[in-house]
Amino acid sequence: SSELTQDPAVSVALGQTVRITCQGDSLRRYYANWCQQKPGQAPVLVIFGKDNRPSGIPDRFSGSSSGNTASLTITGAQAEDEADYYCTSRDSSGNLVIFGGGTKVTVL
Amino acid sequence: EVQLVESGGGLVQPGRSLRLSCTASGFTFDDYAVHWVRQVPGKGLEWVSGISWNGGTIAYADSVRGRFTISRDNAKNSLYLQMNSLRAEDTALYYCVKDRMIAVAGVLEDWGQGTLVTVSS
Repeated sequence: SSELTQDPAVSVALGQTVRITCQGDSLRRYYANWCQQKPGQAPVLVIFGKDNRPSGIPDRFSGSSSGNTASLTITGAQAEDEADYYCTSRDSSGNLVIFGGGTKVTVL
Repeated sequence: EVQLVESGGGLVQPGRSLRLSCTASGFTFDDYAVHWVRQVPGKGLEWVSGISWNGGTIAYADSVRGRFTISRDNAKNSLYLQMNSLRAEDTALYYCVKDRMIAVAGVLEDWGQGTLVTVSS
């Protein structure tokens, strides 16, 4: 399969925890990576591999995976976390890179 | 500081060609794979193509294979995308993206600001 499926939108109360999921057959073999994109800005990598954060990414962002589902969790969501989040991984052949459709996170 | 600066976008008629360039600085360019990713304004991200550190591995999305050609010149710290037989659906903001790996792993670590390509008659 060459698809990654994400929920289109999710909301979270300020300071609460939100989990964003990404489903796809290729995730049984490859880790998902997660990018955050705010309006008018280029995306930013927030999680890669099993559960790794690039330098400068707050530790309230974490990643996990089980079976064909990868998750990005924001623990204690802040107003500045309001953004679109995209999962990305390889397709089942391992040769191509694929994106999920994105999840819009609204912080209430 | 990693910098990726795209250029070459613009308005082009359907069926014509365009060549995008990306100039990299702030890191050792030939230590990493690089990619092109595009985004229709207001829509999601779409991976277009990736090339390994030495150009030995190249991959394309099905939507552009046979029409687009990715290449790099490590001596010039530059990435290119030759786009032929352009279609209206190729209209998008094209990002140059650095991978964390030397291979085409898809760990899209650093992004440019993008160059806009508009295909229209």
